[in-house]
Amino acid sequence: QSVLTQPPSASGTPGQRVTISCSGSSSNIGSNYVYWYQQLPGTAPKLLIYRNNQRPSGVPDRFSGSKSGTSASLAISGLRSEDEADYYCAAWDDSLSGLYVFGTGTKVTVL
Amino acid sequence: QVQLQESGPGLVKPSQTLSLTCTVSGGSISSGSYYWSWIRQPAGKGLEWIGRIYTSGSTNYNPSLKSRVTISVDTSKNQFSLKLSSVTAADTAVYYCAREYSSSWPSWGQGTLVTVSS
Repeated sequence: QSVLTQPPSASGTPGQRVTISCSGSSSNIGSNYVYWYQQLPGTAPKLLIYRNNQRPSGVPDRFSGSKSGTSASLAISGLRSEDEADYYCAAWDDSLSGLYVFGTGTKVTVL
Repeated sequence: QVQLQESGPGLVKPSQTLSLTCTVSGGSISSGSYYWSWIRQPAGKGLEWIGRIYTSGSTNYNPSLKSRVTISVDTSKNQFSLKLSSVTAADTAVYYCAREYSSSWPSWGQGTLVTVSS
């Protein structure tokens, strides 16, 4: 049950900049950090961005995250063929007894 | 570098209980301030958080699954486990175990497919 809304697809040519949005509410994105994961076909998700805009070591600086109000965005600059994957946002949701919620996922295609 | 590996039956009959174990290597499951989580993904669909257990044994579950889920830890075996009762076809998914740190999951198992079918 995805609570965070993402566009189903995004695309760009090599070298272009692609942006993925993640829309939530006051109980999740509006009051908690946002995280982004990259999932290549047939593999487990990989942490790409933590605490809205921080990159784990080893993640290229082509990936950047931002948050404003109840929405967040992931930007991929200098798009490369290996960036073709599914991307998910995630956040803690304070409703009920609390739970983690994910975005609906965005498939990025490199044309 | 911690590594996680899921194991368990790949086929479960409807109404039965799904049981999976996650074996942790490269570090003690009881050291550090970590939560140990289960996350699932139906084929072609998005991710769903199932729940987590802290090193102390305290648990949090997704409210939508809470009545059917139990997560436990066995520190002597460096493992934690998932039990999901009364399964239906809707519970067919790839199940991942992951180590949570600072509200994120930097470490994941490779995932294991569980199919619910008679």
